Amino acid sequence: GAVVSQHPSRVICKSGTSVKIECRSLDFQATTMFWYRQFPKQSLMLMATSNEGSKATYEQGVEKDKFLINHASLTLSTLTVTSAHPEDSSFYICSARDKDREGSDTQYFGPGTRLTVL
Amino acid sequence: GQNIDQPTEMTATEGAIVQINCTYQTSGFNGLFWYQQHAGEAPTFLSYNVLDGLEEKGRFSSFLSRSKGYSYLLLKELQMKDSASYLCAPRGGNKLTFGTGTQLKVEL
Repeated sequence: GAVVSQHPSRVICKSGTSVKIECRSLDFQATTMFWYRQFPKQSLMLMATSNEGSKATYEQGVEKDKFLINHASLTLSTLTVTSAHPEDSSFYICSARDKDREGSDTQYFGPGTRLTVL
Repeated sequence: GQNIDQPTEMTATEGAIVQINCTYQTSGFNGLFWYQQHAGEAPTFLSYNVLDGLEEKGRFSSFLSRSKGYSYLLLKELQMKDSASYLCAPRGGNKLTFGTGTQLKVEL
């Protein structure tokens, strides 16, 4: 149980285009999903907390108009990187918390999306 | 604020035991997670401690001392596949904060 998927796993795009990344909880419902970014040999940095049916909460320094987050259902959150630039190239990882196991608060991670902006 | 300190690299021999230490200063602390991350992959959950003491889970054990802001992950009977980065992640409020991880190399 507690499987999280991400799509696509890898994407290469031109500078100025927008890229959408999907995060799905496959066998559980997630009221809360998290989006992280990880640069090579660095730690995971939380970008935003996505709550089903409400606006995402962004961390300091993360532009909400550049990184659009939508959490339309209990099993799906999307991150759209708008007008991507080479400095946005990174490993984007989502995680989800099981609604029915809120007490444990374990976050389950998706496999990540490698974004390369040319 | 959040401040997490763990060794950058460790090397150990197959079959041996290794202990990875983590110290933290976390506002609103309410639990600590350990994750394993292989290069280019997402982290996988290893353990969770919220109370002081040792949690054992097969070859992996994790210890927490809340008063000292200290945790360790103990790996026994090391295998080559255990070569990975191990991330200490204390939770403050609703959020996990990740350290830079300890890169463990298991040698023959």
